[in-house]
This record gives sequence, structure tokens and C-alpha cells, in this order.
Amino acid sequence: KAGVTQTPRYLIKTRGQQVTLSCSPISGHRSVSWYQQTPGQGLQFLFEYFSETQRNKGNFPGRFSGRQFSNSRSEMNVSTLELGDSALYLCASSSRGGRANEQFFGPGTRLTVL
Amino acid sequence: AQSVTQLGSHVSVSEGALVLLRCNYSSSVPPYLFWYVQYPNQGLQLLLKYTTGATLVKGINGFEAEFKKSETSFHLTKPSAHMSDAAEYFCAVSETGGNKLVFGAGTILRVKS
Repeated sequence: KAGVTQTPRYLIKTRGQQVTLSCSPISGHRSVSWYQQTPGQGLQFLFEYFSETQRNKGNFPGRFSGRQFSNSRSEMNVSTLELGDSALYLCASSSRGGRANEQFFGPGTRLTVL
Repeated sequence: AQSVTQLGSHVSVSEGALVLLRCNYSSSVPPYLFWYVQYPNQGLQLLLKYTTGATLVKGINGFEAEFKKSETSFHLTKPSAHMSDAAEYFCAVSETGGNKLVFGAGTILRVKS
């Protein structure tokens, strides 16, 4: 079974631009979560989607948004990019919604904002 | 809110020595605890998890962790370190309602030959 895939793997943008990252979960998984990883702040939860509905949201500004499609694929969008948005963005999928479930992580998208 | 503290941002051990990575948590509800490993330029891989039941949890690659409620700890151990264990390790607690993980700051494990 294929793992979680994220595209693109690397991205370079300039301040003020917007970006869309994509995540394809493991087949059959209905939950997709997004995390931001930076050297200064570590791993921080962005949001979780389950069956196309946002179920949890972290403490990030409204510039960060996401959605999930009927096939469980998810996208996250960051508008008006800032230098501080440079990070590794990780997507994780899980088969169910309970907090005991294992989350399977993708390799991440490394975003650099210049 | 739940939180995780990992003591020691860097740990260095010799090959064949005991690995001990420390994790303490704070939670107002019975915690669900996880250890993940991250190799350079890769995502996170689950090593083991504690939900309920046996407090000594065995994971992949010879790692294990013991849940100690009285000490609010979930330390990760491995009897004998291997060079391939060099990576960054994250302890995490699952918040109530859904798949939100709260991670510790991570511990970079270095294995010396």
C-alpha cells in the first residue's frame, strides 16, 4: 500500500505570494492532519480534516487554510507569505478519527520564502 | 492544555550503549502517548504508542517505553544503540477529540562508533 505523498517536495516563493500544498493520504484513510515544523517552534499542529470537514484547528492566522476533497486528498493554502512561513510542512493521515490512532506522515514539503 | 517536555535536546551515546531519551507530559485527561523518529529529510515514523493497558510498550527497532503515571513520564529506551539509530526523536501526546498531536521539542540522538 502506498504511503502518504506530498507535492511538491520543495518550493521557493517570495513574500506576499500565496502557495498551495497537496497531500494524498494512504488509501482508505479519511483523516488528514497538517503540521508545520521549524527549528524555532518545532512541530506545530495546523489543522485536521475528517471526511471533508475541518475538525480541529491550531493557533495559526487565517492566512493558513485547508480543505479536503471527497477522495480524502487535502490541500493547504498559505496566502500573503511571510519570511516566517519558511518551514517543513508535514501531512499525516489516519484511518479513523480517534486520538489513539496511528498517524502516518508524508515526507513533507519544504517551503522557502525569500 | 496538554504539553510535552523532552529533557536534553542532544544525546550522545556510544554504539552498543544504552539509549535513554526522556519525556514528561502534562495532561488533564488520561494521556495517549507516542514516540516518533525522524531521519534527515524525511517525515516522522511511529516507534511506539501507549493508549491503555500494559505500561511497558514495545516498539519497532528494539525500542521500548514505560508509562509512569506517578512521574508523568514516558521515557524511551533501547538496550544497545546502533549507528542507524542516529536521528531526531519526538515524544507526543494526543489531545482529546481527533488526531491532534502535541509534540515535544525533540531530541537529536548521536551514536558514536
